[in-house]
Amino acid sequence: QVQLVQSGAEVKKPGASVTVSCKTSGYTFTTYAMHWVRQAPGQRLEWMAWINTGNGNTKYSEKFQGRVTITRDTSASTAYMDLSSLRSEDTALYYCAREYYDILTGLMAFDIWGQGTMVTVSS
Amino acid sequence: DIQMTQSPSSLSASVGDRVTITCRPSQSISSFLNWFQQKPGKAPKLLIYAASSLQSGVPSRFRGGGSGTEFTLTISSLQPEDCATYYCQQSYSTPYTFGQGTKLEIE
Repeated sequence: QVQLVQSGAEVKKPGASVTVSCKTSGYTFTTYAMHWVRQAPGQRLEWMAWINTGNGNTKYSEKFQGRVTITRDTSASTAYMDLSSLRSEDTALYYCAREYYDILTGLMAFDIWGQGTMVTVSS
Repeated sequence: DIQMTQSPSSLSASVGDRVTITCRPSQSISSFLNWFQQKPGKAPKLLIYAASSLQSGVPSRFRGGGSGTEFTLTISSLQPEDCATYYCQQSYSTPYTFGQGTKLEIE
């Protein structure tokens, strides 16, 4: 079945960087775009970025522009999210989410999610 | 950015009740609206996409409606397993934004 399996929890110091991976299985990786969404404790879900897994094109939320980088390794069917210059406010659960896209209507949704990776930023 | 506002923020209802959650975006988003269910410690689960299309495997008691600037998620007959937080999300334009969530408790 379709699965997105993320890397394990991370604890980082302020100013450091973190990389979260999202390994996919059960479908053709390059057929679906991948998004990254985070959820800080007690907060609403927050969209961060998107990657076209076919050609590698990316789009980032302005809030994270310059600090986040999304990449993919098609041979490993895996997407990656790098977040730099970490601060305490980046403490959150980070999710990858596959994009379902209807080419006829342009409508899209996040139909499959990873299990989440907790990133804690603390001195 | 499009702001998404849900109401109510929380509600309590009994098994068998009909429950409705409302989502209002700050501008018209046509039918670019999705609904998710999130249980504690779990990733969000897609329930409804394109405002009213039921995701495969989701029980038919969940129904989405609306367009433009007002949307609803209705659970026709509440079940114990529906205890969760529900989020709306717009896919009209980036940054894709979510509502603040509606926490649904079973009495």
